[in-house]
Amino acid sequence: ETGVTQSPTHLIKTRGQQVTLRCSSQSGHNTVSWYQQALGQGPQFIFQYYREEENGRGNFPPRFSGLQFPNYSSELNVNALELDDSALYLCASSWAGTAYGYTFGSGTRLTVV
Amino acid sequence: TQLLEQSPQFLSIQEGENLTVYCNSSSVFSSLQWYRQEPGEGPVLLVTVVTGGEVKKLKRLTFQFGDARKDSSLHITAAQPGDTGLYLCAETTGTASKLTFGTGTRLQVTL
Repeated sequence: ETGVTQSPTHLIKTRGQQVTLRCSSQSGHNTVSWYQQALGQGPQFIFQYYREEENGRGNFPPRFSGLQFPNYSSELNVNALELDDSALYLCASSWAGTAYGYTFGSGTRLTVV
Repeated sequence: TQLLEQSPQFLSIQEGENLTVYCNSSSVFSSLQWYRQEPGEGPVLLVTVVTGGEVKKLKRLTFQFGDARKDSSLHITAAQPGDTGLYLCAETTGTASKLTFGTGTRLQVTL
């Protein structure tokens, strides 16, 4: 059974640029959730995708968007990057649109300069 | 929005000592999860507690869920350096589609 895989592991972008982060869900999981974890903080919910549809969204602006593909992998896109977007972005997969039985990936460390 | 407060924020202890970390909320939890996160990794689920008053044990870790389901604690007996990490409590919302995480307790266990 494979776990959750995220790419890239580290990324440096300039303010105003756009970025795409990728996540492959654990085998057997059909739900992907994205979280942002600032340094020294707990993760904050961005949104969840279940059956290729957005299934809940946290308090993040529209420049944070996502996609889920038929194989249940997912992308997180952030436009017009700001310095405060610098964080660890975590992907978690689960089953049936819930937050139970989450398996987290190791995250993508995004630095905006 | 429910706020989950964890205490203490930081804890530095020596190997063999016991410790307790706390997770408190202003509202009733539907269910509560505890995670451990090591540097450079994602959080790893330790336990889920659902019933008020519930106690679960995982080797040297003991998890308690308050009777009123507004607080929880994690007790570690005879801490080891491998216990070092960020301990996070997290609550599932009513729809159970997302987690709300606490502020975290950073534990350092030294030899």
